[in-house]
Amino acid sequence: GNSVTQMEGPVTLSEEAFLTINCTYTATGYPSLFWYVQYPGEGLQLLLKATKADDKGSNKGFEATYRKETTSFHLEKGSVQVSDSAVYFCALSRYNQGGKLIFGQGTELSVKP
Amino acid sequence: DAGITQSPRHKVTETGTPVTLRCHQTENHRYMYWYRQDPGHGLRLIHYSYGVKDTDKGEVSDGYSVSRSKTEDFLLTLESATSSQTSVYFCAISDEGGSYNEQFFGPGTRLTVL
Repeated sequence: GNSVTQMEGPVTLSEEAFLTINCTYTATGYPSLFWYVQYPGEGLQLLLKATKADDKGSNKGFEATYRKETTSFHLEKGSVQVSDSAVYFCALSRYNQGGKLIFGQGTELSVKP
Repeated sequence: DAGITQSPRHKVTETGTPVTLRCHQTENHRYMYWYRQDPGHGLRLIHYSYGVKDTDKGEVSDGYSVSRSKTEDFLLTLESATSSQTSVYFCAISDEGGSYNEQFFGPGTRLTVL
């Protein structure tokens, strides 16, 4: 079946450190891939997305590249800030499925000053 | 911010009682979704709607029903709440149902079933 697996958290980093959150997926066909972020006490919001192989999504200094050969969509940021502390969710959506999202379990990031 | 509200924001209820959660949008989006968020599981789709009176099941639909009589409102009902339905419930909307479309999420409803 279709699924998304993320690295387990929590991840704790110091400010200005490099961030990688791993995400791999299993899906038939060519899904679209997303990273959503959830700040404390809020709903999710889209961080970035990629809709085909080799696409790179980017936003707010975060990047992720759709790698079909490794079925991965790892999230990276060169220098994290305290304000990046949140829970990050990787998700996929398959073609002609009504836009339904399949989420990974989420990775909590805590950035210390 | 997309205009999505959820009510109530918090609810405590007892096992066996019916519960209805409401999602209201002001964006006139066609698609609406109900997810539940649980530790270790991320978010899982309960039901979704692709138009007024058009709904379909998601991954974890057992014990839940939905209704959509107006574009702006999507109701989630637990006919007889159980402790396993203690969770945070999120509503989401999307203007189209394409695999590439962004979903906009509401603030969530925290439900506790005692």
